[in-house]
Amino acid sequence: EVQLVESGGGLVQPGRSLRLSCAASGFTFDDYVMHWVRQAPGKGLEWVSAISWNSGTIGYADSVKGRFTTSRDNAKNSLYLQMNSLRAEDTALYYCAKDRGGGRLHSWGQGTLVTVSS
Amino acid sequence: SYVLTQPPSVSVAPGQTATITCGGNSIGGKTVHWYQQKPGQAPVLVVHDDSDRPSGIPERFSGSNSGNTATLTVSRVEAEDEADYFCQVWDSSSDHYVFGTGTKVIVL
Repeated sequence: EVQLVESGGGLVQPGRSLRLSCAASGFTFDDYVMHWVRQAPGKGLEWVSAISWNSGTIGYADSVKGRFTTSRDNAKNSLYLQMNSLRAEDTALYYCAKDRGGGRLHSWGQGTLVTVSS
Repeated sequence: SYVLTQPPSVSVAPGQTATITCGGNSIGGKTVHWYQQKPGQAPVLVVHDDSDRPSGIPERFSGSNSGNTATLTVSRVEAEDEADYFCQVWDSSSDHYVFGTGTKVIVL
């Protein structure tokens, strides 16, 4: 059974940093593109970033480019999101998701909540 | 940037058909995926590649895509279908993935 478990969320002041993790199990992690998707409270889904199986291709939404960095450690079956210079508008539930090809996000974690506030 | 527009809400009686649209410039030339999200839960893929269903998704869920509109159709609606639905595409011009604005399906 595919499992994705996010962690690392919490309350952080504007301008500070936070690192999210996503632990994957139940599938061959390094076979798949992985994504981060976020959802602000009461709002819709927003794609944040995607990383190819070998980290050779990484894409970011314009809203986070230059502030967020996505990485993965295939030996540890883990995905990461380093978030710097956090803003109030980054407050959201952050999901990691497994891409079965063509952007089909077939499996999602339960999310980790990031709150940016002073 | 590429924009996908959905109606904020759709109301439907049990047993009837819910039609959820996703509008985007020449979206018919892109591949569309659809997600269902119930309160407090992660999204679930219900239709992929315009019209295919993942295993375990009822046949009541179907999709189509042409011109400037993609459509998710839920036939014989049940109370459990009440949820938010989001369309999604990959925009090659920006190399970004894009979600629609979301539609709340209300079962009367």
